[in-house]
Amino acid sequence: AQKITQTQPGMFVQEKEAVTLDCTYDTSDPSYGLFWYKQPSSGEMIFLIYQGSYDQQNATEGRYSLNFQKARKSANLVISASQLGDSAMYFCAMREGYYGGSQGNLIFGKGTKLSVKP
Amino acid sequence: DAGVTQSPTHLIKTRGQQVTLRCSPKSGHDTVSWYQQALGQGPQFIFQYYEEEERQRGNFPDRFSGHQFPNYSSELNVNALLLGDSALYLCASSLDRGWDTIYFGEGSWLTVV
Repeated sequence: AQKITQTQPGMFVQEKEAVTLDCTYDTSDPSYGLFWYKQPSSGEMIFLIYQGSYDQQNATEGRYSLNFQKARKSANLVISASQLGDSAMYFCAMREGYYGGSQGNLIFGKGTKLSVKP
Repeated sequence: DAGVTQSPTHLIKTRGQQVTLRCSPKSGHDTVSWYQQALGQGPQFIFQYYEEEERQRGNFPDRFSGHQFPNYSSELNVNALLLGDSALYLCASSLDRGWDTIYFGEGSWLTVV
């Protein structure tokens, strides 16, 4: 079973509008972290935002916010006031388990390609 | 503050050859992980190095090996290259105790012909 599911292969949004990119996850680990990354065509994976499983409030970073619904196991990314430079692939990722000092590796979804129209 | 740097940016190799990719982590980070990203897919975890030892490994054959140096920089080696090894190889750096700090480099594009 997939641990990270991104159901939108591609999305279009008008410049200056808000857009939501969907991400659902599957884990039985009570301690986990959720990440969103932006990947332009150049290839670099750019960190956008992080949400910990025990965080009480939704994470926000500038125009990015994470709509964390723990009971539904969803962690959707909201981009407000879209810009042409936001056109890129967006990946949701999860890191499980942090016991005994061992870091869990990142598990990625298949990504959503966002295109911003002028 | 320098971010994660990788080299080379692009390279072309022939089947059967060997390749070495290099990564310097973000300043202050002590843990390096490597990921393989095939075209149209999300990155897949290869392995992670901490204190110069391989700490975790994903589902990759022994042809993939690595090393971490005392200055925390790392190398990824792939032997007996196959056409299917063509991919973007991403290096991620983090702090061992930094739960939310994982930064990636620009990647190395490997083409095997």
